[in-house]
Amino acid sequence: QQQVKQSPQSLIVQKGGISIINCAYENTAFDYFPWYQQFPGKGPALLIAIRPDVSEKKEGRFTISFNKSAKQFSLHIMDSQPGDSATYFCAASRNSGAGSYQLTFGKGTKLSVIP
Amino acid sequence: EAQVTQNPRYLITVTGKKLTVTCSQNMNHEYMSWYRQDPGLGLRQIYYSMNVEVTDKGDVPEGYKVSRKEKRNFPLILESPSPNQTSLYFCASSRLPPTEAFFGQGTRLTVV
Repeated sequence: QQQVKQSPQSLIVQKGGISIINCAYENTAFDYFPWYQQFPGKGPALLIAIRPDVSEKKEGRFTISFNKSAKQFSLHIMDSQPGDSATYFCAASRNSGAGSYQLTFGKGTKLSVIP
Repeated sequence: EAQVTQNPRYLITVTGKKLTVTCSQNMNHEYMSWYRQDPGLGLRQIYYSMNVEVTDKGDVPEGYKVSRKEKRNFPLILESPSPNQTSLYFCASSRLPPTEAFFGQGTRLTVV
């Protein structure tokens, strides 16, 4: 059972273009939605995150759009640069009971920004 | 420097030979977890721990064991490794609730 569905699996964008990665979830108990960026040979690192009481969050060229009713959220990378080429994971966190938390990841999107 | 340290980085072993991958964090984080990363499957959680002596199964716990005897350490144990456990493994830690997770550099395990 895949709790967080991410698309596309891979994405090629021209330098200066907009990269868009989408995620959808089913469990309404999720209450925190982070995006992680992973470069080859490295562990993932937090890029940006949002809570469901906010519809949009922007940090520099990176924006999360959140649609609570549709149970969808997306990452937009404006003015994409070759240095943005990496694998991006959306994730969702929830309290799984008795103060316990689980962080569930999507399958990842490999972004390539070409000059 | 705040970090999560995994060892070893690379490991080739044979089927059935017990192994341990160590994980240590220096940020005094309560929450620690193990993930495996496989092509096309993303990051899947194996086990997690909310604090010392408190561990729980993630999404793919079969064939793995963990322990949390000290706050900073969270070793992953494969009692009898099998080829389907060949994967890239990541340890992560965070404060509670787990918002920003800090990941180690990964351990690439090959079981032949």
